[in-house]
Amino acid sequence: EAAVTQSPRNKVAVTGGKVTLSCNQTNNHNNMYWYRQDTGHGLRLIHYSYGAGSTEKGDIPDGYKASRPSQENFSLILELATPSQTSVYFCASGETWGVYAEQFFGPGTRLTVL
Amino acid sequence: AQSVTQPDARVTVSEGASLQLRCKYSYFGTPYLFWYVQYPRQGLQLLLKYYPGDPVVQGVNGFEAEFSKSNSSFHLRKASVHWSDWAVYFCAVRTGFASALTFGSGTKVIPCLP
Repeated sequence: EAAVTQSPRNKVAVTGGKVTLSCNQTNNHNNMYWYRQDTGHGLRLIHYSYGAGSTEKGDIPDGYKASRPSQENFSLILELATPSQTSVYFCASGETWGVYAEQFFGPGTRLTVL
Repeated sequence: AQSVTQPDARVTVSEGASLQLRCKYSYFGTPYLFWYVQYPRQGLQLLLKYYPGDPVVQGVNGFEAEFSKSNSSFHLRKASVHWSDWAVYFCAVRTGFASALTFGSGTKVIPCLP
């Protein structure tokens, strides 16, 4: 079965440090997404990608960068982590239109910035 | 801009009772709508999806949802709740950007204990 995996599953970082969250998908989907989940907000879109080499800003991109080096991999980068970026981060993959437009989610990464 | 509102942060229900979770959306045009479920410490799993057509859609595990354009709603229902249904439920609408999703804030379904 197709899958989306994330690493690490848990991460503790220090303020000002660099954090990289990784995502891999075996769905062969063109699109990939990074969301963060906070109580009372549901999931909010940080960055997304149409395919290898593409990254686009979502609704809350400030403080985050993304990288899509291949069809399968999509990373989220926090160059200077802050406590406000403590959250649970979800990666997802999907296609653009039609009946294939649903997204498949990874298990999440719990990030704590001290 | 598109948005999704889930007015109930928590819903209490007894096992065997019926369940309805409310979702209101704001979207210019014809929306593509989704319900996802999240179990503790897990990613999101698709329950059902609505594409233009029959307003009542069937999902997994006995869930169904009804789309109403006049009410801008997409409420989720289940006739008889099972203990495995204690979880958080998210309603989402597809955006025009690589089919990313805009989520509601979620509704947590918790057991009503005697």
